[in-house]
Amino acid sequence: DTAVSQTPKYLVTQMGNDKSIKCEQNLGHDTMYWYKQDSKKFLKIMFSYNNKELIINETVPNRFSPKSPDKAHLNLHINSLELGDSAVYFCASSQGLADSYEQYFGPGTRLTVT
Amino acid sequence: KQEVTQIPAALSVPEGENLVLNCSFTDSAIYNLQWFRQDPGKGLTSLLLIQSSQREQTSGRLNASLDKSSGRSTLYIAASQPGDSATYLCAVTQGGSEKLVFGKGMKLTVNP
Repeated sequence: DTAVSQTPKYLVTQMGNDKSIKCEQNLGHDTMYWYKQDSKKFLKIMFSYNNKELIINETVPNRFSPKSPDKAHLNLHINSLELGDSAVYFCASSQGLADSYEQYFGPGTRLTVT
Repeated sequence: KQEVTQIPAALSVPEGENLVLNCSFTDSAIYNLQWFRQDPGKGLTSLLLIQSSQREQTSGRLNASLDKSSGRSTLYIAASQPGDSATYLCAVTQGGSEKLVFGKGMKLTVNP
């Protein structure tokens, strides 16, 4: 059983398009995250949701809009895609807030904007 | 602003060696420190989590230590194996922010 899953695994699209990445966790965790790993492999947090409530928005452009329909899902919608959005996006979850609990990561979605 | 550094960026060793991976952070006001492993094209796997009140954690051949006052952590890998080849990332949960701040990782290659 996959604990944290993401779809799609690969996404190739053109500049200006709108796309979504889906994330689901079956661990019963309360907190979910989105991270971006750039071409230099540097991993940086984008968003964090706890019980469907946004608790971290790390100065991400408002073209990026996370949506959490329930505790098990945190989707990422990106409008007007730009070349610089090309990266690997990771979803993660933890039992509670990051100060006490380890985070479990999904396999990543490699987004390529052409 | 918290910065996490891992030096060196890459390490290549023969099988069987005991290894020490280093991580340093600039702000000691952390909740915890977590070590991850990332295999090529894959997500991150959590290896060990050390709370700020702890000094070390052990799991199998892995032992992680934390010296919060000096801003350092080490991950010790005993009797390294080719299957240990991966990128190892260190991350700290910054106090008051609930977010993980990552180092850039260290790519380990264990040669048979």
